[in-house]
Amino acid sequence: DAGITQSPRHKVTETGTPVTLRCHQTENHRYMYWYRQDPGHGLRLIHYSYGVKDTDKGEVSDGYSVSRSKTEDFLLTLESATSSQTSVYFCASSDRTTYEQYFGPGTRLTVT
Amino acid sequence: AQSVAQPEDQVNVAEGNPLTVKCTYSVSGNPYLFWYVQYPNRGLQFLLKYITGDNLVKGSYGFEAEFNKSQTSFHLKKPSALVSDSALYFCAVRTDSGGYQKVTFGTGTKLQVIP
Repeated sequence: DAGITQSPRHKVTETGTPVTLRCHQTENHRYMYWYRQDPGHGLRLIHYSYGVKDTDKGEVSDGYSVSRSKTEDFLLTLESATSSQTSVYFCASSDRTTYEQYFGPGTRLTVT
Repeated sequence: AQSVAQPEDQVNVAEGNPLTVKCTYSVSGNPYLFWYVQYPNRGLQFLLKYITGDNLVKGSYGFEAEFNKSQTSFHLKKPSALVSDSALYFCAVRTDSGGYQKVTFGTGTKLQVIP
């Protein structure tokens, strides 16, 4: 987990409220990712970024938006949280030369 | 489209015995293959990767994996399992997609090493 942090680590929120999760990396990696982990589904890509202000959708992007204003920060926003977005969210980063991803410790989000 | 299959939800092995966690993939072009491990309440940790070259790849904690192009497999192996190896293991595949790095993960295999 060294070099990549997520905040908050735990959050409980009500349906319909906006939520922002933050990812911060100190590796100067170009690529950053947001995944959600759910039983039986493994990790599914929500959004990814290939540079500052450059982002694209993953396989489960509906209801989520992202922003990347600096190399080190990648924000995930749930505009109006729903119970189906209860999950564990992981951020990851990688560079082009080594390919492997480095993961943060995760954020457990509960939407009631 | 690329995909990864981990056919076993759980693998049980006795401590000291060899272990294998299976992974097959489907991808257009040359695959980049990875194994990650996740301990409880932690993020995923990189174990090893195959990009090119020798089909047998060695990684962290004594793990290795064999790339088999004809069987489109990349099974994770260890000669002698430890109780501390008990964790969730993910196989992943990457290809270039418009020049961006997109990785597809399998659903994970829980490894239980029995003392």
